[in-house]
Amino acid sequence: KQEVTQIPAALSVPEGENLVLNCSFTDSAIYNLQWFRQDPGKGLTSLLLIQSSQREQTSGRLNASLDKSSGRSTLYIAASQPGDSATYLCAVRLGGGADGLTFGKGTHLIIQP
Amino acid sequence: GAVVSQHPSRVICKSGTSVKIECRSLDFQATTMFWYRQFPKKSLMLMATSNEGSKATYEQGVEKDKFLINHASLTLSTLTVTSAHPEDSSFYICSAKSGILYNEQFFGPGTRLTVL
Repeated sequence: KQEVTQIPAALSVPEGENLVLNCSFTDSAIYNLQWFRQDPGKGLTSLLLIQSSQREQTSGRLNASLDKSSGRSTLYIAASQPGDSATYLCAVRLGGGADGLTFGKGTHLIIQP
Repeated sequence: GAVVSQHPSRVICKSGTSVKIECRSLDFQATTMFWYRQFPKKSLMLMATSNEGSKATYEQGVEKDKFLINHASLTLSTLTVTSAHPEDSSFYICSAKSGILYNEQFFGPGTRLTVL
């Protein structure tokens, strides 16, 4: 059974710092991996989606990498801003026709002004 | 971009009542819709997968008779929590996948269910 782990569970940093969020998964036979942002009591905002054949994806200040063989992904946030404060979720989709996503518990990020 | 809506956003009900949650894809046809549940400080857990016009596939441990799913059209799926109890209180989120945009699931804003 696929398990997704996110480290750290919580992170608080001053504004302007670059930071890295980590995600690991136990079954490397994934179809893709996706990073989401969730604000308190809200739904999910998709940030980046990486196909299993890709190594990284970039969007603005966000960069996500994928090392499928080792079962790891990182989300890099450059020049953090208070508006980046949220919970960041990593999710993987297995191959073989299984479409549902398996989520980690998330990293609760606070950017201090 | 693809937009998914959910209704209601929040519902409070008494124990024993049934609650229906709607999930709609607003600007695309969703061949597959998914229902997830998120308990406080826990990760989202897939409950079931539904394809338009066919029966839903439930994940292990999810009671199909308690959580009724109907995916009657390519833009609408409903989740009915029957005879709700306080332990069913949770955040329910749906997502939808298009046959064309097959790589990505688009999530709704979620429904907060509180059962008294």
